[in-house]
Amino acid sequence: DSGVTQTPKHLITATGQRVTLRCSPRSGDLSVYWYQQSLDQGLQFLIQYYNGEERAKGNILERFSAQQFPDLHSELNLSSLELGDSALYFCASSGGLSNTEAFFGQGTRLTVV
Amino acid sequence: DQQVKQNSPSLSVQEGRISILNCDYTNSMFDYFLWYKKYPAEGPTFLISISSIKDKNEDGRFTVFLNKSAKHLSLHIVPSQPGDSAVYFCAASEGTDSWGKLQFGAGTQVVVTP
Repeated sequence: DSGVTQTPKHLITATGQRVTLRCSPRSGDLSVYWYQQSLDQGLQFLIQYYNGEERAKGNILERFSAQQFPDLHSELNLSSLELGDSALYFCASSGGLSNTEAFFGQGTRLTVV
Repeated sequence: DQQVKQNSPSLSVQEGRISILNCDYTNSMFDYFLWYKKYPAEGPTFLISISSIKDKNEDGRFTVFLNKSAKHLSLHIVPSQPGDSAVYFCAASEGTDSWGKLQFGAGTQVVVTP
């Protein structure tokens, strides 16, 4: 158990819909990272938050947004969903600004039908 | 553009033998490299890392080698055990305090057979 909790574990939704993925970091970790893993792809960095502020952006679509709340949990919002958004979405946390040796949650498997 | 590449999608090795996983990168600004291990239905777990100032780092049965001139790193697992069967991801970043943005390879599925 990495200490990072992601909910839900599985999500099935229709095209055009909007979903919210939730992540609770390890106790005391200030940084939260979101990654997307599509079929046969490596993990693609989406976005990082540190203590409530956005710190780094990767290949995140404009239809996607994220935020980190005062209690440090984070949410990833995916809207106008397309079939190609079906993927595993991982959240990771670390204590500082660096994401080296970050601890990953179990992921949320999103299926868009 | 894939900056970190793992060209072998799978590797089968006999228990007790050596597993060698390879990873190539294209970005010369990468200076910190990590290997993560992933079991089904679990998130990736950190395995071992290496800074560009070193060419080797060892942790128990796991050793990572870095060849900066060739932009190549490898992970050696000796001896391989059935519990090592997992997907291994190579990752790279520009500095340990680079605000994030780890670049991952596509992974290598390792199967250790009895």
